[in-house]
Amino acid sequence: EVQLVESGGGLVQPGRSLRLSCAASGFTFDDYAMHWVRQAPGKGLEWVSGISWNSGSIGYADSVKGRFTISRDNAKNSLYLQMNSLRAEDTALYYCAKDDTWGQGTLVTVSS
Amino acid sequence: DVVMTQSPLSLPVTLGQPASISCRSSQSLVYSDGNTYLNWFQQRPGQSPRRLIYKVSNRDSGVPDRFSGSGSGTDFTLKISRVEAEDVGVYYCMQGTHWPPRFTFGPGTKVDIK
Repeated sequence: EVQLVESGGGLVQPGRSLRLSCAASGFTFDDYAMHWVRQAPGKGLEWVSGISWNSGSIGYADSVKGRFTISRDNAKNSLYLQMNSLRAEDTALYYCAKDDTWGQGTLVTVSS
Repeated sequence: DVVMTQSPLSLPVTLGQPASISCRSSQSLVYSDGNTYLNWFQQRPGQSPRRLIYKVSNRDSGVPDRFSGSGSGTDFTLKISRVEAEDVGVYYCMQGTHWPPRFTFGPGTKVDIK
């Protein structure tokens, strides 16, 4: 079964950092580009960042560029999102996604 | 940057009746390989999004054939031939043609039952 399981979310103060992880299973991880997508409470989907299979291509939404860093470890079948200088507007459910598969999400709340 | 728009943003439908959602992009979504990377996602209440359609008109495995996608260039449509109760949710179009640097989602269309 293809599965993506996110972890690392939580409550964090503005300006602090958090690292999200996504554990992949059930498919050949290094065959696929991977993405982070977020959804603020009651809002639509926002693509956050993506990384190609070999980390050769990486992109970020303008809203997170310079603050967030995506990475992957193909040996560990894992995707990561390092989030620095967090803001209240980064509060959202963060999904790990492969083209046709999404995880259940991990909630990040930025608040003092 | 590519901007995706959808209409309508809210779509009340009668069970058994058809429904149609429009998606437009600010730039052509035809990639250099000839493919058009326009996908449709469904998000039911309280659930993660699920891809329904990829590359404009290809249904994902397990997606009922009452869902169909069409379009080209900058104009795309998702149609539900006969709406069922389980189709309630928010539908998003998403372009992947212009990645890298980025994917872009539309604002979403909320489908509910009249």
